[in-house]
Amino acid sequence: EAQVTQNPRYLITVTGKKLTVTCSQNMNHEYMSWYRQDPGLGLRQIYYSMNVEVTDKGDVPEGYKVSRKEKRNFPLILESPSPNQTSLYFCASTSSLGGSTEAFFGQGTRLTVV
Amino acid sequence: RKEVEQDPGPFNVPEGATVAFNCTYSNSASQSFFWYRQDCRKEPKLLMSVYSSGNEDGRFTAQLNRASQYISLLIRDSKLSDSATYLCVVSGGGSNYKLTFGKGTLLTVNP
Repeated sequence: EAQVTQNPRYLITVTGKKLTVTCSQNMNHEYMSWYRQDPGLGLRQIYYSMNVEVTDKGDVPEGYKVSRKEKRNFPLILESPSPNQTSLYFCASTSSLGGSTEAFFGQGTRLTVV
Repeated sequence: RKEVEQDPGPFNVPEGATVAFNCTYSNSASQSFFWYRQDCRKEPKLLMSVYSSGNEDGRFTAQLNRASQYISLLIRDSKLSDSATYLCVVSGGGSNYKLTFGKGTLLTVNP
């Protein structure tokens, strides 16, 4: 079954404690990205990756890092989380083949930073 | 002007009603257009792509007007299960797969 898997689904942490949210896809997609969703603001792109070792900033990259060492994995790293990073996070992967640009999303990670 | 702007909603309609969602986008270079559906606290899922010629999938019809930079979604004979947030999504296309989302419009279909 084609899927994007995020972990953890829920996380409560304290300010300043480094955390990583993992994302893995089994569709061999080149393009992966991270979004955060906040009430009244919609989904905003944090970082994206066009392929292995190729990453770039999205619209709201401050306070986040990513890496793409393997095609299937695209972890989101918060080196020093702050309360304003409390949000619902989604990882997505998109194929670049055959003109299809449907994005498949993970189930989301609800992060609370206290 | 916001990159992708949708009706703010929310929409509350009875079962069987016809509902129309409207969306405008600011980047004239945008190449791909979509409607996604998001159930409460769940991930967005593709409802349908939108083409210039218009496209229909059962009760759902999507239209694109490139000249006006306008996208629409029509739901006919709405069902209780159509209750969700509908997201208008635009992509740059080509090698740029970034999706720009509207804020979404919440639809509640009432019995």
